[in-house]
Amino acid sequence: SYELTQPPSVSVSPGQTARITCSGDALPKQYAYWYQQKPGQAPVLVIYKDSERPSGIPERFSGSSSGTTVTLTISGVQAEDEADYYCQSADSSGTYLVFGGGTKLTVL
Amino acid sequence: QVQLQESGPGLVKPSETLSLTCAVSGYSISSGYYWGWIRQPPGKGLEWIGSIYHSGSTYYNPSLKSRVTISVDTSKNQFSLKLSSVTAADTAVYYCARTEGDSSGYYLGYWGQGTLVTVSS
Repeated sequence: SYELTQPPSVSVSPGQTARITCSGDALPKQYAYWYQQKPGQAPVLVIYKDSERPSGIPERFSGSSSGTTVTLTISGVQAEDEADYYCQSADSSGTYLVFGGGTKLTVL
Repeated sequence: QVQLQESGPGLVKPSETLSLTCAVSGYSISSGYYWGWIRQPPGKGLEWIGSIYHSGSTYYNPSLKSRVTISVDTSKNQFSLKLSSVTAADTAVYYCARTEGDSSGYYLGYWGQGTLVTVSS
């Protein structure tokens, strides 16, 4: 089955830049999406189509893609950004949705 | 404003069938989009279960396909999930969501708040 691989955890100090990667063989063919999930809440879309930002999402959130890896970048991290982040994409046919294992972002 | 709300039993016995419904408001299911279910075991990551179009066409996670049925009731503007032969491993928060996008990529734009289902005797 198709898998997306994320690091389990990333830690940064306030004001620094956090980068969370997601790797998968079908990422050159399928867009990636990023969700932020805080404890007890439903996930919220923060990046779509690799690098687009939904309305209402702060500009410090950005996304990029290179080959089989996509990256979520949070510039000038704030305490409120501490959360779990999930990448999501689909298999090469676009039929089945897949989530990465999630990355816990800790703001030191 | 699109809103989704899950409902159903919070406790299911092992070997029985888990049944949940997602009521949609602010948008008519008949107008389009795929509608899906996602789950999250306590302390773990997200898992896509499957999606359904208003016409009834479905896509299921291959790992769950043998036990999953998703159906839609356009007259009530809701869709449902049935998961058979449940075990403790099916204990999770279950979310419903609207699936958006096209063949180049699908994502989950609107989510319900989630409902915890515990499998236990």
